[in-house]
Amino acid sequence: NAGVTQTPKFRILKIGQSMTLQCTQDMNHNYMYWYRQDPGMGLKLIYYSVGAGITDKGEVPNGYNVSRSTTEDFPLRLELAAPSQTSVYFCASTRDSGTGDEQYFGPGTRLTVT
Amino acid sequence: AQSVTQLDSQVPVFEEAPVELRCNYSSSVSVYLFWYVQYPNQGLQLLLKYLSGSTLVKGINGFEAEFNKSQTSFHLRKPSVHISDTAEYFCAVRRYGGSQGNLIFGKGTKLSVKP
Repeated sequence: NAGVTQTPKFRILKIGQSMTLQCTQDMNHNYMYWYRQDPGMGLKLIYYSVGAGITDKGEVPNGYNVSRSTTEDFPLRLELAAPSQTSVYFCASTRDSGTGDEQYFGPGTRLTVT
Repeated sequence: AQSVTQLDSQVPVFEEAPVELRCNYSSSVSVYLFWYVQYPNQGLQLLLKYLSGSTLVKGINGFEAEFNKSQTSFHLRKPSVHISDTAEYFCAVRRYGGSQGNLIFGKGTKLSVKP
């Protein structure tokens, strides 16, 4: 059981470039999330999805876009990369939203924008 | 809205010593409480969670946490740490019955275990 997988593991972008961070889960979870982690700041929610075709903004959505065409996949798109988007990005999923179900995290994508 | 405060950004401790990592939360609604661990260059892994019932919760790797409703705290403890416990620890909350289901995280505490 692979759980939550993310690609790529590392990426360096130049300012103004774009890229897509991939996230796939094989647990048939409806709820999926993108967080970014900056040193000393914990994790902040970028976007989330409650099911295929349904997405919504989190706390820090500016500069990002998402889509959810299938239950399994939840890609995060960066348009016009900026140095402020240098961070580690984590995808997560969970079975239910309002219960104590665990969120499962992917291994992360470390992105540097120069 | 919910918020989580982890009172120590770094905690150095010697091997086999006890450790406590402190977490306080603020919320106008009931929440579930979680501790996650992040080993270097890895994702987050659940250590333990408090849903209801007994306020003392036991997790993996010998960790435990105590929920204190009156102090709105959820401190993490281990009676004897190992070098392998060196990692960053995150306290998080999720509201009961929420439609989003996202976690609100504290800023993390880096535990450094020295020989």
